[in-house]
Amino acid sequence: DIQMTQSPSTLSASVGDRVTITCRASQDISIWLAWYQQRPGKAPKLLIYKASTLESGVPSRFSGSGSGTDFTLTISSLQPDDFASYYCQHYTVFPLTFGGGTKVEIK
Amino acid sequence: EVQLVESGGGLVQPGGSLRLSCAASGFSFSGYWMHWVRQAPGKGLVWVSRVNMDGGSATYVDSVKGRFTISRDNAKNTLHLQMHSLRAEDTAVYYCARETPMTGGFYMDVWGRGTTVTVSS
Repeated sequence: DIQMTQSPSTLSASVGDRVTITCRASQDISIWLAWYQQRPGKAPKLLIYKASTLESGVPSRFSGSGSGTDFTLTISSLQPDDFASYYCQHYTVFPLTFGGGTKVEIK
Repeated sequence: EVQLVESGGGLVQPGGSLRLSCAASGFSFSGYWMHWVRQAPGKGLVWVSRVNMDGGSATYVDSVKGRFTISRDNAKNTLHLQMHSLRAEDTAVYYCARETPMTGGFYMDVWGRGTTVTVSS
């Protein structure tokens, strides 16, 4: 199975901050990576697919980059709605696997 | 409005069975592959299973193989997950999710709100 490792596991930031979350795959997954946001008690929401393509309706302050084994999710200016957990997911082969998650907290 | 609504969760004893359902609306259900994903309390997301459009092909994570069965009723726009031999480690919120229609894109673009399964004596 492909292991997905996210860092940090928790991140404290303030509104307006630039935030970067890292996701590393245990083997080359090309650009077959998605990012999800999950607010407390809510379902996950797709943010980005194919490593850098923004899902329709997602604010442009979110961006993704990377290929191969190393990927990043960046929030250019953190907004109150963005305090949530974020997960990466590869979609090359089955089983699909997710990173352990990054919780973005209010500083 | 595109919507997925799960039901059927509850408290079950170890070794017991439970059948989850997911009602789809707002889109052509029969035209999409569908997934179940679970999340144990305070933990991350774990993919569980996927079924093709006509229900004839399914894939599972190793930890549920032989115990869980995914199925669908396209006439009723409903996805199911039959769970047998339940264990404490199956305790989780179970999400139903729609796979993107993009070719080769095994990621989920619509999610339900989840149903909670608790396995405990």
